[in-house]
Amino acid sequence: EADIYQTPRYLVIGTGKKITLECSQTMGHDKMYWYQQDPGMELHLIHYSYGVNSTEKGDLSSESTVSRIRTEHFPLTLESARPSHTSQYLCASSMAGSAGELFFGEGSRLTVL
Amino acid sequence: AQSVSQHNHHVILSEAASLELGCNYSYGGTVNLFWYVQYPGQHLQLLLKYFSGDPLVKGIKGFEAEFIKSKFSFNLRKPSVQWSDTAEYFCAVTSSGNTPLVFGKGTRLSVIA
Repeated sequence: EADIYQTPRYLVIGTGKKITLECSQTMGHDKMYWYQQDPGMELHLIHYSYGVNSTEKGDLSSESTVSRIRTEHFPLTLESARPSHTSQYLCASSMAGSAGELFFGEGSRLTVL
Repeated sequence: AQSVSQHNHHVILSEAASLELGCNYSYGGTVNLFWYVQYPGQHLQLLLKYFSGDPLVKGIKGFEAEFIKSKFSFNLRKPSVQWSDTAEYFCAVTSSGNTPLVFGKGTRLSVIA
């Protein structure tokens, strides 16, 4: 069983609110990722990090930001949520040198009204 | 840019039927290929992977996949499905160990008794 945790699991908020989705892993993995998952669509990479103080944007344009101050923690923040941000957000991690063997969290389902 | 195509959006099979889910990718170089599975209410998990060597790889729960380089394909197969195989299956590719995974849209498999 993978040790990667996401909170909250479910969140309903109003437009304009600032939210942070938390992601923590206890496996000591260097690489962490945020994907966005909508029904019937590809998982879209939003952000990723290959180590502390290193973050990159993925292929999906996003108004979110991330930080990687500690190895185990990779929070994602939306400064001003909009209904278009309604989606499932998946956090994942992998070992340095790992070629795609990701461990996923259970996801955070966000609904913006 | 890499992309992954999964041909079937939703597949419905009876128990004991054989399964083949299609996956094609667009990248001409060396690739690492994966199948991930998401059971209802659970997180995504690795089903099997191909890096090099024998193009027929075996994964958990009796699944296997065959890499056919000339067809840019990595189809997933199982000789006899069970009700517990009901899940969503995602094909994914990365061109090297240091680029994030690119996922397909997923195929929902429903196995009926």
